[in-house]
Amino acid sequence: EIVLTQSPGTLSLSLGERATFSCRASQSVSRGYVAWYQQKPGQAPRLLIFDASNRATGIPDRFSGSGSGTDFTLTIGRLEPEDFALYYCHQYGSSPLTFGGGTKVEIK
Amino acid sequence: EVQLVESGGGLVKPGGSLRLSCAASGFIFSTYTINWVRQAPGKGLEWVASISSSSANIYYADSLRGRFTVSRDNAKNSLYLQMNSLRVEDTAIYYCARVRGSYPNYFDSWGQGTLVTVSS
Repeated sequence: EIVLTQSPGTLSLSLGERATFSCRASQSVSRGYVAWYQQKPGQAPRLLIFDASNRATGIPDRFSGSGSGTDFTLTIGRLEPEDFALYYCHQYGSSPLTFGGGTKVEIK
Repeated sequence: EVQLVESGGGLVKPGGSLRLSCAASGFIFSTYTINWVRQAPGKGLEWVASISSSSANIYYADSLRGRFTVSRDNAKNSLYLQMNSLRVEDTAIYYCARVRGSYPNYFDSWGQGTLVTVSS
Protein backbone atom coordinates (compact mmCIF):
# COMPACT_ATOMS: atom_id res chain seq x y z
CA GLU A 1 0.00 0.00 0.00
CA ILE A 2 1.30 3.44 -0.92
CA VAL A 3 1.27 5.83 2.03
CA LEU A 4 0.85 9.51 1.17
CA THR A 5 2.21 12.12 3.55
CA GLN A 6 1.00 15.69 3.14
CA SER A 7 2.80 18.71 4.50
CA PRO A 8 2.33 21.04 6.12
CA GLY A 9 -0.67 19.99 8.16
CA THR A 10 -1.89 23.57 8.28
CA LEU A 11 -0.99 26.58 6.17
CA SER A 12 -1.86 30.05 7.48
CA LEU A 13 -1.89 32.58 4.66
CA SER A 14 -3.49 35.86 3.65
CA LEU A 15 -5.70 36.62 0.69
CA GLY A 16 -3.68 37.00 -2.48
CA GLU A 17 -0.75 34.96 -1.22
CA ARG A 18 0.59 31.89 -2.97
CA ALA A 19 -0.05 28.49 -1.38
CA THR A 20 2.10 25.46 -1.98
CA PHE A 21 1.41 22.02 -0.51
CA SER A 22 3.40 18.85 -0.71
CA CYS A 23 2.34 15.22 -1.05
CA ARG A 24 5.05 12.62 -0.67
CA ALA A 25 4.48 8.96 -1.50
CA SER A 26 6.15 6.04 0.25
CA GLN A 27 6.94 4.57 -3.16
CA SER A 28 6.79 5.76 -6.73
CA VAL A 29 3.26 6.41 -8.00
CA SER A 30 2.76 4.68 -11.30
CA ARG A 31 2.48 7.09 -14.24
CA GLY A 32 2.10 10.02 -11.85
CA TYR A 33 -1.46 9.03 -11.12
CA VAL A 34 -2.12 11.59 -8.40
CA ALA A 35 -5.24 13.68 -7.92
CA TRP A 36 -5.98 16.58 -5.61
CA TYR A 37 -9.33 17.34 -4.00
CA GLN A 38 -10.67 20.33 -2.12
CA GLN A 39 -13.08 19.86 0.77
CA LYS A 40 -15.00 22.54 2.65
CA PRO A 41 -16.77 21.95 5.98
CA GLY A 42 -19.92 19.89 5.56
CA GLN A 43 -19.27 19.29 1.88
CA ALA A 44 -18.04 16.43 -0.24
CA PRO A 45 -14.57 16.56 -1.78
CA ARG A 46 -14.28 18.26 -5.16
CA LEU A 47 -11.79 17.18 -7.81
CA LEU A 48 -9.22 19.85 -8.64
CA ILE A 49 -6.33 18.10 -10.38
CA PHE A 50 -5.86 14.65 -11.93
CA ASP A 51 -2.85 12.89 -13.45
CA ALA A 52 -0.66 15.15 -11.29
CA SER A 53 -1.05 18.28 -13.40
CA ASN A 54 -4.35 18.35 -15.28
CA ARG A 55 -7.05 20.70 -14.05
CA ALA A 56 -10.53 19.27 -13.77
CA THR A 57 -13.40 20.89 -15.62
CA GLY A 58 -14.31 24.30 -14.24
CA ILE A 59 -11.28 24.63 -11.97
CA PRO A 60 -9.68 28.11 -12.12
CA ASP A 61 -6.19 28.35 -13.56
CA ARG A 62 -4.78 29.65 -10.28
CA PHE A 63 -4.74 25.96 -9.27
CA SER A 64 -1.85 23.96 -10.64
CA GLY A 65 -0.29 20.60 -9.91
CA SER A 66 3.10 19.14 -10.59
CA GLY A 67 5.34 16.27 -9.69
CA SER A 68 6.28 12.72 -10.50
CA GLY A 69 7.64 9.63 -8.83
CA THR A 70 7.20 10.19 -5.11
CA ASP A 71 6.90 13.97 -4.86
CA PHE A 72 3.85 15.96 -5.87
CA THR A 73 2.84 19.57 -5.33
CA LEU A 74 -0.38 21.56 -5.48
CA THR A 75 -0.04 25.32 -5.91
CA ILE A 76 -2.70 28.00 -5.63
CA GLY A 77 -1.38 31.07 -7.38
CA ARG A 78 -3.24 33.77 -5.45
CA LEU A 79 -5.58 32.80 -2.64
CA GLU A 80 -9.21 33.80 -3.01
CA PRO A 81 -11.68 33.71 -0.09
CA GLU A 82 -13.26 30.49 -1.35
CA ASP A 83 -9.89 28.70 -1.36
CA PHE A 84 -9.66 28.39 2.41
CA ALA A 85 -10.42 24.72 2.86
CA LEU A 86 -8.89 21.26 3.27
CA TYR A 87 -6.88 19.72 0.46
CA TYR A 88 -6.21 16.01 -0.05
CA CYS A 89 -3.91 14.22 -2.42
CA HIS A 90 -4.90 10.81 -3.74
CA GLN A 91 -2.93 8.16 -5.59
CA TYR A 92 -4.61 5.80 -8.03
CA GLY A 93 -1.54 4.30 -9.59
CA SER A 94 -1.96 1.11 -7.65
CA SER A 95 -4.45 -0.70 -5.50
CA PRO A 96 -5.52 -0.03 -2.83
CA LEU A 97 -6.35 3.59 -3.50
CA THR A 98 -4.96 5.82 -0.80
CA PHE A 99 -5.27 9.41 0.33
CA GLY A 100 -3.00 11.78 2.15
CA GLY A 101 -3.93 13.11 5.56
CA GLY A 102 -4.81 16.55 4.22
CA THR A 103 -3.53 20.11 4.42
CA LYS A 104 -5.75 22.80 5.86
CA VAL A 105 -5.44 26.29 4.44
CA GLU A 106 -6.61 28.87 6.93
CA ILE A 107 -6.82 32.63 6.90
CA LYS A 108 -3.91 34.30 8.63
CA GLU B 1 -25.86 17.65 -14.12
CA VAL B 2 -24.22 14.65 -12.47
CA GLN B 3 -25.89 13.81 -9.16
CA LEU B 4 -25.12 11.14 -6.61
CA VAL B 5 -27.37 10.97 -3.58
CA GLU B 6 -26.59 8.63 -0.70
CA SER B 7 -29.12 7.40 1.82
CA GLY B 8 -29.56 4.74 4.46
CA GLY B 9 -27.20 6.01 7.12
CA GLY B 10 -28.13 6.15 10.76
CA LEU B 11 -27.38 4.90 14.24
CA VAL B 12 -26.66 1.20 14.65
CA LYS B 13 -25.30 -0.87 17.52
CA PRO B 14 -21.97 -2.67 17.29
CA GLY B 15 -22.45 -5.97 15.53
CA GLY B 16 -25.43 -4.66 13.60
CA SER B 17 -26.01 -4.24 9.88
CA LEU B 18 -26.91 -1.40 7.60
CA ARG B 19 -27.49 -1.04 3.86
CA LEU B 20 -26.52 2.19 2.16
CA SER B 21 -27.85 3.30 -1.19
CA CYS B 22 -26.58 5.74 -3.78
CA ALA B 23 -29.00 7.06 -6.42
CA ALA B 24 -27.39 8.38 -9.58
CA SER B 25 -28.72 10.76 -12.21
CA GLY B 26 -27.46 13.06 -14.93
CA PHE B 27 -25.21 10.49 -16.60
CA ILE B 28 -25.33 6.99 -18.03
CA PHE B 29 -24.91 5.11 -14.77
CA SER B 30 -24.46 1.71 -16.41
CA THR B 31 -21.24 2.79 -18.09
CA TYR B 32 -19.37 3.98 -15.00
CA THR B 33 -17.38 2.34 -12.23
CA ILE B 34 -18.56 3.67 -8.87
CA ASN B 35 -16.76 3.54 -5.54
CA TRP B 36 -17.51 4.01 -1.87
CA VAL B 37 -15.20 6.23 0.16
CA ARG B 38 -15.62 7.00 3.84
CA GLN B 39 -14.49 9.71 6.22
CA ALA B 40 -14.50 9.28 9.98
CA PRO B 41 -15.50 12.41 11.94
CA GLY B 42 -12.69 14.95 11.74
CA LYS B 43 -10.47 12.52 9.86
CA GLY B 44 -9.22 11.95 6.33
CA LEU B 45 -10.60 9.97 3.42
CA GLU B 46 -10.48 6.18 3.22
CA TRP B 47 -11.31 4.12 0.14
CA VAL B 48 -13.84 1.37 0.85
CA ALA B 49 -14.86 -0.49 -2.30
CA SER B 50 -15.16 -0.35 -6.07
CA ILE B 51 -17.62 -1.93 -8.49
CA SER B 52 -17.28 -1.83 -12.25
CA SER B 53 -20.06 -0.86 -14.63
CA SER B 54 -21.22 -4.44 -15.20
CA SER B 55 -20.38 -5.63 -11.66
CA ALA B 56 -17.78 -7.94 -13.17
CA ASN B 57 -14.92 -6.40 -11.17
CA ILE B 58 -15.29 -5.71 -7.48
CA TYR B 59 -12.54 -4.63 -5.11
CA TYR B 60 -12.48 -3.97 -1.38
CA ALA B 61 -10.13 -2.43 1.11
CA ASP B 62 -8.42 -5.38 2.79
CA SER B 63 -9.60 -4.34 6.23
CA LEU B 64 -13.24 -4.44 5.16
CA ARG B 65 -13.41 -7.51 2.95
CA GLY B 66 -15.80 -10.07 4.35
CA ARG B 67 -17.94 -7.57 6.26
CA PHE B 68 -18.92 -5.16 3.48
CA THR B 69 -20.52 -6.05 0.14
CA VAL B 70 -20.93 -3.64 -2.74
CA SER B 71 -23.54 -4.17 -5.45
CA ARG B 72 -25.44 -2.20 -8.05
CA ASP B 73 -28.67 -2.26 -10.04
CA ASN B 74 -28.14 -0.51 -13.35
CA ALA B 75 -31.86 -0.66 -14.16
CA LYS B 76 -32.48 1.48 -11.08
CA ASN B 77 -29.36 3.66 -11.45
CA SER B 78 -28.43 2.65 -7.94
CA LEU B 79 -25.40 1.50 -5.96
CA TYR B 80 -25.52 -0.28 -2.62
CA LEU B 81 -23.22 -1.05 0.28
CA GLN B 82 -24.26 -3.82 2.65
CA MET B 83 -22.38 -3.44 5.91
CA ASN B 84 -22.42 -6.29 8.43
CA SER B 85 -20.77 -6.87 11.80
CA LEU B 86 -20.38 -3.14 12.21
CA ARG B 87 -17.77 -1.78 14.60
CA VAL B 88 -17.41 1.53 16.37
CA GLU B 89 -14.52 2.36 14.05
CA ASP B 90 -16.86 2.10 11.03
CA THR B 91 -18.48 5.35 12.16
CA ALA B 92 -18.04 7.73 9.25
CA ILE B 93 -19.65 9.65 6.45
CA TYR B 94 -19.94 7.30 3.49
CA TYR B 95 -19.65 8.84 0.04
CA CYS B 96 -20.32 7.28 -3.31
CA ALA B 97 -18.01 8.61 -5.99
CA ARG B 98 -17.92 8.19 -9.74
CA VAL B 99 -14.69 6.87 -11.19
CA ARG B 100 -13.19 8.23 -14.35
CA GLY B 101 -12.52 5.10 -16.40
CA SER B 102 -11.90 1.81 -14.69
CA TYR B 103 -10.48 1.02 -11.24
CA PRO B 104 -8.02 2.19 -10.04
CA ASN B 105 -8.69 5.77 -11.04
CA TYR B 106 -9.63 9.16 -9.68
CA PHE B 107 -13.07 10.37 -8.63
CA ASP B 108 -14.65 13.06 -10.77
CA SER B 109 -17.97 13.39 -8.93
CA TRP B 110 -19.01 12.76 -5.34
CA GLY B 111 -22.29 12.54 -3.49
CA GLN B 112 -22.92 14.54 -0.34
CA GLY B 113 -22.53 11.49 1.86
CA THR B 114 -24.58 9.68 4.48
CA LEU B 115 -23.53 9.43 8.11
CA VAL B 116 -23.23 6.03 9.75
CA THR B 117 -22.83 6.03 13.52
CA VAL B 118 -21.98 2.77 15.27
CA SER B 119 -22.52 3.10 18.99
CA SER B 120 -24.12 1.25 21.86
